[in-house]
Amino acid sequence: EAGVTQFPSHSVIEKGQTVTLRCDPISGHDNLYWYRRVMGKEIKFLLHFVKESKQDESGMPNNRFLAERTGGTYSTLKVQPAELEDSGVYFCASSQDPFGEQFFGPGTRLTVL
Amino acid sequence: KNQVEQSPQSLIILEGKNCTLQCNYTVSPFSNLRWYKQDTGRGPVSLTIMTFSENTKSNGRYTATLDADTKQSSLHITASQLSDSASYICVVRHYGGSQGNLIFGKGTKLSVKP
Repeated sequence: EAGVTQFPSHSVIEKGQTVTLRCDPISGHDNLYWYRRVMGKEIKFLLHFVKESKQDESGMPNNRFLAERTGGTYSTLKVQPAELEDSGVYFCASSQDPFGEQFFGPGTRLTVL
Repeated sequence: KNQVEQSPQSLIILEGKNCTLQCNYTVSPFSNLRWYKQDTGRGPVSLTIMTFSENTKSNGRYTATLDADTKQSSLHITASQLSDSASYICVVRHYGGSQGNLIFGKGTKLSVKP
């Protein structure tokens, strides 16, 4: 069974540009989460989808971040326009139920110059 | 404030030696605690899960302990191998509230040298 996959693995963009990250969860997992780890800090929650609905988006830092999960399968996280402080590793995770184990993808390392 | 503190920040040991990683938390209400292993360039992978009533749980050479009264957990690695080199992250789940349900520590970076 394939695990959680994320694309791209690395992205380097300039301040003010737009970047879109993609996450493909484990097949059949209704719950999909986005997290971010800024250098030197702990991993922090961004938002949680149940199927195509946003269950909890309290961790989204500001309105420059837009997450979607059309059709309840893969999800995208768009940052527009990107700022220097958006640099970090963005992890996606999925789970069968909201209280079960979350399986993490390898992350996308975003560098904003 | 819900927080998870880990120590040490980094650790270097020789292959075959044992080590213990520490995790202190101030998460309430507590649901469970997981230790994750994160290899370089990979996502975190769960090693053990501990609930309120569990004191010790083993997974091969990994043994986790939990003291719910003092809100402390440890991860003991026995007879370390080179493949144990990774970051070990303590993650506490709390019930309800915003900001998701998982509170992460910063991790302990373990290096096992030959």
